Amino acid sequence: ETGVTQSPTHLIKTRGQQVTLRCSSQSGHNTVSWYQQALGQGPQFIFQYYREEENGRGNFPPRFSGLQFPNYSSELNVNALELDDSALYLCASSPTGVLLNTGELFFGEGSRLTVL
Amino acid sequence: RKEVEQDPGPFNVPEGATVAFNCTYSNSASQSFFWYRQDCRKEPKLLMSVYSSGNEDGRFTAQLNRASQYISLLIRDSKLSDSATYLCVVNLQGNTGKLIFGQGTTLQVKP
Repeated sequence: ETGVTQSPTHLIKTRGQQVTLRCSSQSGHNTVSWYQQALGQGPQFIFQYYREEENGRGNFPPRFSGLQFPNYSSELNVNALELDDSALYLCASSPTGVLLNTGELFFGEGSRLTVL
Repeated sequence: RKEVEQDPGPFNVPEGATVAFNCTYSNSASQSFFWYRQDCRKEPKLLMSVYSSGNEDGRFTAQLNRASQYISLLIRDSKLSDSATYLCVVNLQGNTGKLIFGQGTTLQVKP
């Protein structure tokens, strides 16, 4: 296994609610990225955190926000949930400077969110 | 137009077959290229990087054509365990962690 852990693994929310997803990165990895994977699609980049600051963001609205903590763990928060937010949310960690050379992100198993 | 396009399949092949997946990308500034594998209801994992000179890892061969913005993956002597979704991935922005994934191509290897 990758050593990246996510919680919760599954959750159900209703439209308009808020959700917080959590991620613990692999030991020694200081960079965390979040991806959204809708059914039948590839993962889409939401944002990346490095040294507790956002370092790159994809095409997602501001109601998607995040945090990184001093121990490199991270949270993804989504406000005002919409039906289309139903997806698998993947957290990925990597050591700094490695991604360009190896392309290897270490993904957690994801949090599957269903919005009713 | 999607940034990375793949034929979603599914590709249904018998054991021992050779199968090829293709992928195109739209941004000529793309810096690096990869294939990831995703098993059903699991997380994606790096299968291999793709280099302009072409590269091989056992039964898997990856090729890149920068002029045509085209990436391929060839799997020889397919095994049942090769059944998975294969994701074509492009890194556009160096080390920002923003990997751009294609939709994925599903492979089912039958006995």
